[in-house]
This record gives sequence, C-alpha cells and structure tokens, in this order.
Amino acid sequence: GENVEQHPSTLSVQEGDSAVIKCTYSDSASNYFPWYKQELGKRPQLIIDIRSNVGEKKDQRIAVTLNKTAKHFSLHITETQPEDSAVYFCAASTQGSGNTGKLIFGQGTTLQVKP
Amino acid sequence: GAGVSQTPSNKVTEKGKYVELRCDPISGHTALYWYRQSLGQGPEFLIYFQGTGAADDSGLPNDRFFAVRPEGSVSTLKIQRTERGDSAVYLCASSLNVNSPLHFGNGTRLTVT
Repeated sequence: GENVEQHPSTLSVQEGDSAVIKCTYSDSASNYFPWYKQELGKRPQLIIDIRSNVGEKKDQRIAVTLNKTAKHFSLHITETQPEDSAVYFCAASTQGSGNTGKLIFGQGTTLQVKP
Repeated sequence: GAGVSQTPSNKVTEKGKYVELRCDPISGHTALYWYRQSLGQGPEFLIYFQGTGAADDSGLPNDRFFAVRPEGSVSTLKIQRTERGDSAVYLCASSLNVNSPLHFGNGTRLTVT
C-alpha cells in the first residue's frame, strides 16, 4: 500500500522567512496530493492540493510543487506570519473510478514562526 | 453551511466497555471516512463508506472495531471491549465523491482508563 514520508518533523523560522516542507510517496498510482493545516485541538483543514497532471500550484503565499518521476511533493510558504504556526500534514491518494480516494498521511511537521 | 459534525467531542470510558462515536457528514456527501489520530501522529485511515456500504475497511485494527452507515448519511464507529491503546482522537471526514477533497470534523477524543 501507499506510504508517505514527511520531513522535517519540526521547523522553526523567523517571521517573514520562507518555510518548505517535503514529502515522498511510494505508490505510483497516487494522483492527488493535498496539504492540511491542523492547529492545536482543532480539525485538519485543507489549505492547498495538487493533482498529478500539473507540476505546481500557487495560492497567495502558499505553493505546492510535484515531481511525479521522483515521487515527491513540497509545500512552500512565503512571508511567514505567526498565525502560520501549526502542524502541517501532507497526504496522497488515488482518485478516479474504482478507487476509494482515501488519504494516506505523512507524520506531520510542526511549524513555529517566531515574531 | 454546516460542516462535518462529530459527537461526543470527548468520551472517557473504562477498559473493557463498549463505545459508539457518531459522525454526521456534510449534506449530499456520498463518501465518508473514519481516521484515528494519536498524539503527534498523522491521521491513520480506518474505514471508507461509499453510500451505505463499507467499500474499504482495511484500516480497522481488529474485530473489536466496526462501523455502520445504514442510510448513507450518519455513520457510527463502534468499539467493543475497549483497551487503553484505543485512546486517540477519532476523526470523521466526508467528500462529495471520491474525486473531491475531504472535509474533516473536529473529532472525538476517546480516553480509555
């Protein structure tokens, strides 16, 4: 089955700096890669996702890149703010007819943005 | 509109007892997923429903865990003979279909004493 590895486990940056979180996946059939942000005691919330037919997607200060050949994808946050502090999870799934769409998650990255 | 609703938000039970956790998905969402999240870990897949049927239960850890979705909407996760190792946050998620993003509920924090 699918296995998703995420690095680093913790990341501390100064406000205004960029943050990058990286994930690798094992199943070449995976075609959907979302990122979730989870604040302490709250639900995971989708912040951005990418499908395997594109290599990059951007939404304001957040971007995700995907390298299908190498089976890795990354989250980039620019101009970080203290409110970006949270745990970030990457995930992978196989969508489409005959599939479940279930997400397999990485272990999470705790991002701390220091003011 | 209303998101995924889970009840109770917290449940404390004694070892060996039976518990039921409820999930009310977003209206119209046909796909429903249960996950378990231990402290400091990512959510771990348990079971997936498409409509009323459990299409993938490969993540259920053993036969003490069971889930139903009799009318294709609300789902109940049932745990028999609870063990201390079952303590975790149980998350429910729903999506419009298998090609759509998953939306999570706030979870039920289960503590087995």
